Amino acid sequence: QKEVEQNSGPLSVPEGAIASLNCTYSDRGSQSFFWYRQYSGKSPELIMFIYSNGDKEDGRFTAQLNKASQYVSLLIRDSQPSDSATYLCAVKAGGGNKLTFGTGTQLKVEL
Amino acid sequence: GAVVSQHPSWVICKSGTSVKIECRSLDFQATTMFWYRQFPKQSLMLMATSNEGSKATYEQGVEKDKFLINHASLTLSTLTVTSAHPEDSSFYICSATRQNSNQPQHFGDGTRLSIL
Repeated sequence: QKEVEQNSGPLSVPEGAIASLNCTYSDRGSQSFFWYRQYSGKSPELIMFIYSNGDKEDGRFTAQLNKASQYVSLLIRDSQPSDSATYLCAVKAGGGNKLTFGTGTQLKVEL
Repeated sequence: GAVVSQHPSWVICKSGTSVKIECRSLDFQATTMFWYRQFPKQSLMLMATSNEGSKATYEQGVEKDKFLINHASLTLSTLTVTSAHPEDSSFYICSATRQNSNQPQHFGDGTRLSIL
């Protein structure tokens, strides 16, 4: 079983729609959760991070964390073609500083 | 946001050459830096964790004599790929984080290494 799992996609959504990206993790001791966006040929860019159960909103992005169910999600409202990228979920275990990455979900926002 | 600078961004060289990549945190002190490698259409693979003033911690399967890491200051870590061969061609990315372990990692722009 992979430590951090994401559906590889591609996930296609029309422009203006809500894109929902999901991630599950296996280590119950995980404390910190991060979403990175990676455009093709570029390095990852931090989008959101969340530590507590519930929702965290930043502009068009909302991160949702449910530690009991061991999943974290990222919602992108009013999706734009520029949001088309691979979204990487990363998890950090408690007490450590290494990130474990999922394989990423490719998002395509279509006109 | 935090800025991490990585240099060079692109290297093309002959087999057998050693290549040094620099990673600098520009606006914060990075007690820990990380080196990743990414092959096409794959996720990031952590190679090693670099702590300022101490030896790097390498992940299983990563040759420490092949990939030399130096973290001499709180703002600079270097990765040297020694005697590079075509199979070492990859996208190498560094990241840095502040002292608090809850702080996110911020990535450099990456170095695309092509060995002929």
